[in-house]
Order: sequence, then structure tokens, then C-alpha cells
Amino acid sequence: DGGITQSPKYLFRKEGQNVTLSCEQNLNHDAMYWYRQDPGQGLRLIYYSQIVNDFQKGDIAEGYSVSREKKESFPLTVTSAQKNPTAFYLCASKTRGLDTQYFGPGTRLTVL
Amino acid sequence: QKEVEQNSGPLSVPEGAIASLNCTYSDRGSQSFFWYRQYSGKSPELIMFIYSNGDKEDGRFTAQLNKASQYVSLLIRDSQPSDSATYLCAGPHSGGSNYKLTFGKGTLLTVNP
Repeated sequence: DGGITQSPKYLFRKEGQNVTLSCEQNLNHDAMYWYRQDPGQGLRLIYYSQIVNDFQKGDIAEGYSVSREKKESFPLTVTSAQKNPTAFYLCASKTRGLDTQYFGPGTRLTVL
Repeated sequence: QKEVEQNSGPLSVPEGAIASLNCTYSDRGSQSFFWYRQYSGKSPELIMFIYSNGDKEDGRFTAQLNKASQYVSLLIRDSQPSDSATYLCAGPHSGGSNYKLTFGKGTLLTVNP
């Protein structure tokens, strides 16, 4: 089955720790995205990547880092510099030439 | 002004009624718009997209785009309890890039049996 997978589904982190969220897609999509969703806030763009080995900051990149070493994978690291990391994190992807983005199932991160 | 704004709701309709969800946008150059449905605790699921002025129908769903008035709407006919969800409107990010979307905050729809 083609699709976008995110792991883990739930993640708990202690303050001061870095954590990495996984996002993998087998849709052969060129572009990949990370969003953060907080209650009542809608989706906010963290980082996006149009091609391998290239990525751009979104609207709320501070405290996050990404890499895009393979077309299929776009992991997100939430660093200890992120002041309020508890949120629902969504990965999305799209193919070149079309605007439609498709979402993975999400990772819910809680900082203890 | 935010790029995409939704009437915040929440919206409650009886089963079988028409639910109307609305979204306005600020960038006159925007060409494409999307409606996503998000059940509680789940990720957004694309239900409709519309690129041209007018109506687009898919089953019980109709998306409407009015570029002159800069609004997009989603009509759900014969609403069912299973339609109860948050509906997100999305459009191109400012600057015309088709690589980024901007999302409204969503409208929570409840369909009462």
C-alpha cells in the first residue's frame, strides 16, 4: 500500500531532551512537509523540502531541525530549544506540479 | 489580514440538513483551494479541491469558489452524524508558491441524529 507513515504515534519526552520524529512516504512524492497543530491554532508549517538535500524554514522553525537525505524520508528533530513542544505533529507530502498535500497519521508529542 | 480565514463555528446541524462551511482568502492571485476533514485525534483527510470559479460536486459535497468575492465554501448535503468533524480550508501561501499551503483554523461541525 502506498502512503505516508509516521512513528511513533505517541511520544513522551522529558524537558531538555531532543527527540526525532520519523516520516516516510512511498508515494514517490518530491516535496515533504512538517506541520504542528495545537488546539484552536490550525496547522502551522515548521519546515518543508522540495527536493533531496534541500529544505526551507516554515513559519515556526525555531527549535526544530530536519534533514532530507533520501526522497522517501524527512525526519524532524524537536530540540531542547523548542519552548513549548507539546503538540500534534503532522507530516505531509505532494508531487511536483500539483498543489494537493496528503498527510500521515501524525505523532502526538507530550513533554513531561 | 490572515491569508485564509474560516468562520470559527462551531456549527451544529440536524441529520439530513445542509451544512455550509465558509472560508475567505486575502490573496487575489490564489488559484487553488482545498477542503480537509479532520476527525478528533486523527490527521486531515482531503475531501475536495477546487481550481476554477464556480461549483464542483462530488457526491454529497459541493465546493464553491468565488474569486471576485474571494471566498470558498463547502456544502454538505444530507448531513450524517459521521460528517461530524473539523473541516479545514487551505489555499496557496502568499507569494504564489505552489509548494506551500496556508490553513484556516478549522470549523467544528456537529451533526445531531
